[in-house]
Amino acid sequence: SYELTQPPSVSVSPGQTARITCSGDALPKQYAYWYQQKPGQAPVLVIYKDSERPSGIPERFSGSSSGTTVTLTISGVQAEDEADYYCQSADSSGTYLVFGGGTKLTVL
Amino acid sequence: QITLKESGPTLVKPTQTLTLTCTFSGFSLSTSGVGVGWIRQPPGKALEWLALIYWNDDKRYSPSLKSRLTITKDTSKNQVVLTMTNMDPVDTATYYCAHRLGGTVTDNWFDPWGQGTLVTVSS
Repeated sequence: SYELTQPPSVSVSPGQTARITCSGDALPKQYAYWYQQKPGQAPVLVIYKDSERPSGIPERFSGSSSGTTVTLTISGVQAEDEADYYCQSADSSGTYLVFGGGTKLTVL
Repeated sequence: QITLKESGPTLVKPTQTLTLTCTFSGFSLSTSGVGVGWIRQPPGKALEWLALIYWNDDKRYSPSLKSRLTITKDTSKNQVVLTMTNMDPVDTATYYCAHRLGGTVTDNWFDPWGQGTLVTVSS
């Protein structure tokens, strides 16, 4: 079955830039989406179609794509950004959806 | 404003069938392009996509769970129902429903999500 691979954890100091990657063979063909999940809360969409930001999401959140890897970048990280982040995409046919294993972002 | 809320049993026994209902407002499942998905998350673990139903009654299932899942919609009640058969303790998780967004049916993402409901499988 198709898988998306994320690093289990990323740590940054406040004000620095955090980069969270997501790798998958079908990513050159399929868009990626990113969700933020804080403890005890439902996930919230922060990036769609690789790099589009929904209304209400701070500009410090951005996304990019290069080959089989997509990256969520958080510029000027704030304490409130500490959360789990999940990428989501689909298999090469677009039929089956898949989530990555999640990355815990720690703000030191 | 779009809202979704999951409802169903909090405790099921092994081998039983789980039935979860997603009741939503702010959109109609008879509108072209609209869909509702189900996603679950075992305690302390990652999200797992389960199923997706579209406005035209097209349905998609996770390949690994396809034999156990059924998703249906009741447009008049603004509800989507997910059933999962033969429940096992490993199915203990928070189950979320979410509003599907996308252009073509090969582009799917979810926004917003319901609050989730924790289902425990235990005898």
